[in-house]
Amino acid sequence: AQSVTQLGSHVSVSEGALVLLRCNYSSSVPPYLFWYVQYPNQGLQLLLKYTSAATLVKGINGFEAEFKKSETSFHLTKPSAHMSDAAEYFCAVSGTAGSYQLTFGKGTKLSVIP
Amino acid sequence: EAGVVQSPRYKIIEKKQPVAFWCNPISGHNTLYWYLQNLGQGPELLIRYENEEAVDDSQLPKDRFSAERLKGVDSTLKIQPAELGDSAVYLCASSLDRGEQYFGPGTRLTVT
Repeated sequence: AQSVTQLGSHVSVSEGALVLLRCNYSSSVPPYLFWYVQYPNQGLQLLLKYTSAATLVKGINGFEAEFKKSETSFHLTKPSAHMSDAAEYFCAVSGTAGSYQLTFGKGTKLSVIP
Repeated sequence: EAGVVQSPRYKIIEKKQPVAFWCNPISGHNTLYWYLQNLGQGPELLIRYENEEAVDDSQLPKDRFSAERLKGVDSTLKIQPAELGDSAVYLCASSLDRGEQYFGPGTRLTVT
């Protein structure tokens, strides 16, 4: 079984500030990990994914995430927030290598203050 | 390339009424997923199809929910009868085999 915990249901940052969204996972097998973004009234869009290659993963829109096995974490970062980054972000885990059956966290809503 | 198409986008019904949602996956994608997303929550898988076969429907409440994927392309998810607690967003996603999932915009259901 696998699970995801996202710390902070709502995060606010100033435009230009660092974005840090936290995700911790639990998995009985080597995990695949994902970050998705959801804009209002839209479906989920894949930002980036970790599939056991490089531990630092770069995604779209300037986001990146680092897989830390010792901390069971996969936090999402962006050096400089933009107004267009305001959205809800979901971390997800696939507990079986090669399978994309996803278990999602509850999401973190990111607000960007001008 | 067209993405995953869902209709309707919004639906308001009274409790005990039936409702159906339709999904057209990305062309060539043989795997189709239906997710339930409650307010303030992440999506939860209801059912997964590989071609015409429902390979994982363990989370589908079978007393009132049903789904079909005739010919392995479009899919329909039905609720009969709807309850107040069914108010949520119903997301459809598709993938090629077990690859990356692409999500549709969802259908927002309100049961009054």
